[in-house]
Parts: sequence; C-alpha cells; structure tokens
Amino acid sequence: AQSVTQLDSQVPVFEEAPVELRCNYSSSVSVYLFWYVQYPNQGLQLLLKYLSGSTLVKGINGFEAEFNKSQTSFHLRKPSVHISDTAEYFCAVSDLGGGGNKLTFGTGTQLKVEL
Amino acid sequence: DTGVSQDPRHKITKRGQNVTFRCDPISEHNRLYWYRQTLGQGPEFLTYFQNEAQLEKSRLLSDRFSAERPKGSFSTLEIQRTEQGDSAMYLCASSRQRGGMGNTEAFFGQGTRLTVV
Repeated sequence: AQSVTQLDSQVPVFEEAPVELRCNYSSSVSVYLFWYVQYPNQGLQLLLKYLSGSTLVKGINGFEAEFNKSQTSFHLRKPSVHISDTAEYFCAVSDLGGGGNKLTFGTGTQLKVEL
Repeated sequence: DTGVSQDPRHKITKRGQNVTFRCDPISEHNRLYWYRQTLGQGPEFLTYFQNEAQLEKSRLLSDRFSAERPKGSFSTLEIQRTEQGDSAMYLCASSRQRGGMGNTEAFFGQGTRLTVV
C-alpha cells in the first residue's frame, strides 16, 4: 500500500517570490512520482513526473521537483511564481506494476499567489 | 485530439435515484480510469479498464457503484440508489499503456460534479 502526505494545506506567497510545496510518500515498493495542478472546476493537468534517472525533474510552467529516496520526498519548487499559478497542487504516486496510472494522491496544497 | 470528455459536467439528483456518467477517452488510449474527488481531498482511485476488460474494481465504494467499457472506447459509471455521501466530483482519465512497461501520462477530463439532495 502507498500513501502520500502533503504537509501544507495552504501556501500563500507573493508574486515573483520562490515557492516550495512539500510532498512525502510511503511505499513498500518502488514508485513513480507525479505532481498535478488543478484549477477551479477543472480536471487535473500533469506538471511533471519522476520515473527513473536524474532525480531533478523539470516540468511545465517553470516548475521542478527533486526526488529524494532517502527522505522519501518529492518537493515541488518554482523560483518565481506568477499570479496565474494560483491553483490546487496534488502530489501522487503509482507503483511500477501493471497498474500504470492507478494513482494515490495526497490531499493537495492550495497555492495562493498575491500581488 | 479533443482530450478526455465527460458528460454531464454537473448533475443534481434526488437521494435514491440512479445516475450514469459518461467518459470518452482520447482516441487510441487503451486504459481508462475513474476517480472520485470529495471537497478538500485528492482524487481517490475507483476502477480502471484496459480496453474493455475491467482490471480492478475492488476500490469501487460499494455494490451501488458499477462501471462498464463495453467496446473498449467510452465508459460509463453508474451509481444506484444515490446517497448524500455520493456527492463529489467524478473524474475520468485515460492513457496509452504499451506492454506493461513504464508509465505514460494520464490525461484527465474536467469531471462530473454530482450533487445529491
């Protein structure tokens, strides 16, 4: 079984400031890791994913995340946020088996970018 | 490619009624997933199909929930005898999985928001 913990339910930040959204996971097997963004009344859009290889993953909209196996973390970062980044962000894991995108999500972090 | 399409976008129903939601995946995507998202929570996996085969349904919330994908294209999710606790956003996603190797991106629809009154 897997679980995902997103430590911050809300993160307020001023525009052009850096931001980090934290994600920790628990799993007895190796996993794939994902970050999704959800705008109000919309579905989820993939920001980035870690499957293997380099632990620093770059995604869309200037976001990046670093996989840390020893700390079982996959924190999301952006060096300078924009007002349009205001949204809900979800961290998710799936195992390496045939389940593919059978994802386990965290509870989400609401990023609010203020002027 | 118009993305994953879900219909209806919103559904209000009275307690005890049956409801059915439809999901049209991206064409040529062989896998289709259903998730439920309640307010303030992340999506929760319900079931998934590879082509027309339902490979896992143990996470369906009760025997009132059922899903089909009869021809390996669109899928339906039915909830019988709805309860107020069924009020949620129901999300569909699809992906193209090749040979069980690795992982390809799942594309999500905009969801169907169900309100049971």
